[in-house]
Amino acid sequence: QVQLVQSGAEVKKPGASVKVSCKASGYTFTDHYIHWMRQAPGQGLEWMGWINPDSGATNYAQRFQDRVSMTRDTSIGTAFLDVNRVRSDDTAVYYCARRWGPAWRCMDVWGQGTTVTVS
Amino acid sequence: QSVLTQPPSVSGAPGQRVTISCTGSSSNIGANYDVHWYRQLPGTAPQLLIYGNTNRPSGVPDRFSGSKSGTSASLAITGLQAEDEADYYCQSYDNSLSGFYVFGTGTKVTVL
Repeated sequence: QVQLVQSGAEVKKPGASVKVSCKASGYTFTDHYIHWMRQAPGQGLEWMGWINPDSGATNYAQRFQDRVSMTRDTSIGTAFLDVNRVRSDDTAVYYCARRWGPAWRCMDVWGQGTTVTVS
Repeated sequence: QSVLTQPPSVSGAPGQRVTISCTGSSSNIGANYDVHWYRQLPGTAPQLLIYGNTNRPSGVPDRFSGSKSGTSASLAITGLQAEDEADYYCQSYDNSLSGFYVFGTGTKVTVL
C-alpha cells in the first residue's frame, strides 16, 4: 500500500543540524510533491515547505528559508529535511506528507512523524 | 503563526451534531482557494478527512461534511461517536508572503 516511512527520533544540542528522512513506497515517487510540516508539543500544525521529487525544485515557508533544506534521492525514493542551527523552539514532531495531485492542494498520505528534541 | 482561526474546542453528546468553523481572509479562503480538513487522533499523524471543501476521500463516513462560504469554511460531524474525539485542522492555500500552505489553529472535539 501507499506509505511514507520516516526515520527515528533525534536528540540534538542547540546549534547542531538534524536530518530527517521520508521513504516512499507503493507509488511512483516522482509523481507527487512531498511536503514537510512540524508540530511543537501541544501546538498545531505548521507548514515548512515542499519539494518536487521529479525536478528537485523546492519552496520554503518564509520563516524557514535561511535554516531549512529539502532534498531527495530518486534512486531510493526518499525525501530529506535538513534543519540547521537548531534551537529549543525547533523541538517538535516533524511530518512528511504527499500532495494528493495537481488538482488538490492537500496531503493525502502522511508519514508517522519524527520527534526531534533540542536540548 | 496560523492564519486560519478555529475555535479551540467543541463538545457534544453521542449522536449529536457539532460544527467547527475555520475563518480566513482575502488572501486564502476568500481568494477562492479550496479548504481541506484533517483529523488527528492522539499520538498519531493527521489524516485527510475532507478535500476540496466538500469531498470525502474513500473510507470517510458520510457523517462528516464540509462547506465553504466567503472567507470561512465549516466542518460538520453528525451522529457524534466516541471515536470522533480528536483534534481537527483546516488547511488552505495562501497567496501572501507569509507562506503558501496554511493550517488552522486546530479544534479539540470532545465527546461527552
